[in-house]
Amino acid sequence: RKEVEQDPGPFNVPEGATVAFNCTYSNSASQSFFWYRQDCRKEPKLLMSVYSSGNEDGRFTAQLNRASQYISLLIRDSKLSDSATYLCSGGYNKLIFGAGTRLAVHP
Amino acid sequence: NAGVTQTPKFQVLKTGQSMTLQCAQDMNHEYMSWYRQDPGMGLRLIHYSVGAGITDQGEVPNGYNVSRSTTEDFPLRLLSAAPSQTSVYFCASSPLSWDNEQFFGPGTRLTVL
Repeated sequence: RKEVEQDPGPFNVPEGATVAFNCTYSNSASQSFFWYRQDCRKEPKLLMSVYSSGNEDGRFTAQLNRASQYISLLIRDSKLSDSATYLCSGGYNKLIFGAGTRLAVHP
Repeated sequence: NAGVTQTPKFQVLKTGQSMTLQCAQDMNHEYMSWYRQDPGMGLRLIHYSVGAGITDQGEVPNGYNVSRSTTEDFPLRLLSAAPSQTSVYFCASSPLSWDNEQFFGPGTRLTVL
């Protein structure tokens, strides 16, 4: 079983929709968590870190639930340009990634 | 700054051949790592390094060797290529450690026939 798991999707949503991704981790000692975005045939890039108290960056909100060992990403008012694969990651002494969730936003 | 560079961009090997994937960064980052990405499997950590002279294994190290003789370079060696090593390989670097933002290179697409 992978240490970090997420629903592969794809999530197909219309513009303006709100979409949420969840990601679970199995190592309870995991400390730092991140969401990365990867466009087709490109390298991943950091979208946002995930803090214990939850954090927001514009239309994006990330949350951490240590008791249930999952992190989430909420995207409000989806744009066509949000279409990409979203990778969650976390770890204890090394960074482990989930398989990624593909999001397709359509007009 | 060029950031993280990887060469080659594409490579085709025959089973049993060896080769080295190059990775270099010009940001004076201490932490560097190699991932492979396969459909449905996501990014899997192969090896990582916390500084020059120090390397350690990740999730899937078998069949790969690394060394870190300088801060800038972190080459990945395939000793005897196998079809199962067909993948996209990403090198990443980070200022201090695994729990800082990772900066990825553009990737190397490797096919082993």
